[in-house]
Amino acid sequence: AQKITQTQPGMFVQEKEAVTLDCTYDTSDQSYGLFWYKQPSSGEMIFLIYQGSYDEQNATEGRYSLNFQKARKSANLVISASQLGDSAMYFCAMRDQGGSEKLVFGKGTKLTVNP
Amino acid sequence: ETGVTQTPRHLVMGMTNKKSLKCEQHLGHNAMYWYKQSAKKPLELMFVYSLEERVENNSVPSRFSPECPNSSHLFLHLHTLQPEDSALYLCASSQYGQGSTDTQYFGPGTRLTVL
Repeated sequence: AQKITQTQPGMFVQEKEAVTLDCTYDTSDQSYGLFWYKQPSSGEMIFLIYQGSYDEQNATEGRYSLNFQKARKSANLVISASQLGDSAMYFCAMRDQGGSEKLVFGKGTKLTVNP
Repeated sequence: ETGVTQTPRHLVMGMTNKKSLKCEQHLGHNAMYWYKQSAKKPLELMFVYSLEERVENNSVPSRFSPECPNSSHLFLHLHTLQPEDSALYLCASSQYGQGSTDTQYFGPGTRLTVL
């Protein structure tokens, strides 16, 4: 069974600094996709970034980058130049690309950006 | 309207009431999902519809009844709910199929309180 582990219940960062949110995953599949979502207090889940298991380059989207280490089964999210609006819950998720539409989520990390 | 919309945003109902949650996606996707998010628990997949047919039901109690009349609309009919059903209900959509990352895009959620 697939499993996502986010070991940091809460993280704090100073505005304008970079922060890394950890995510490890467990799967026996060779083909899979990894996702990060942001959930502000309003509740909406906002898609941030995607990494395919066969992608050779680490994914980047603006201030977000994904540090993908396949051998270690980790997919950490790096947020550069943190902003106050980055304060939210962050969820790592994985989908098996073998035919299932199911997305498995971690428990999330609450990020607080301090001024 | 753009993206995924959900109505109502907030709902308070008694255990004997019948209500429905509505989700509409404006992204041209072919798959839609219902998730339940309870406090301090990972996101739980409830139902998946792909090409308007239900493909997954994660053993959800029968007091939750989904309906997908077309690829753009998804409903969740609620009846005789329990207080433990109080949660944030999130709808998502994706373009499922070969060559797609199948990224799920979420609506803002309906915050349900069962009295």
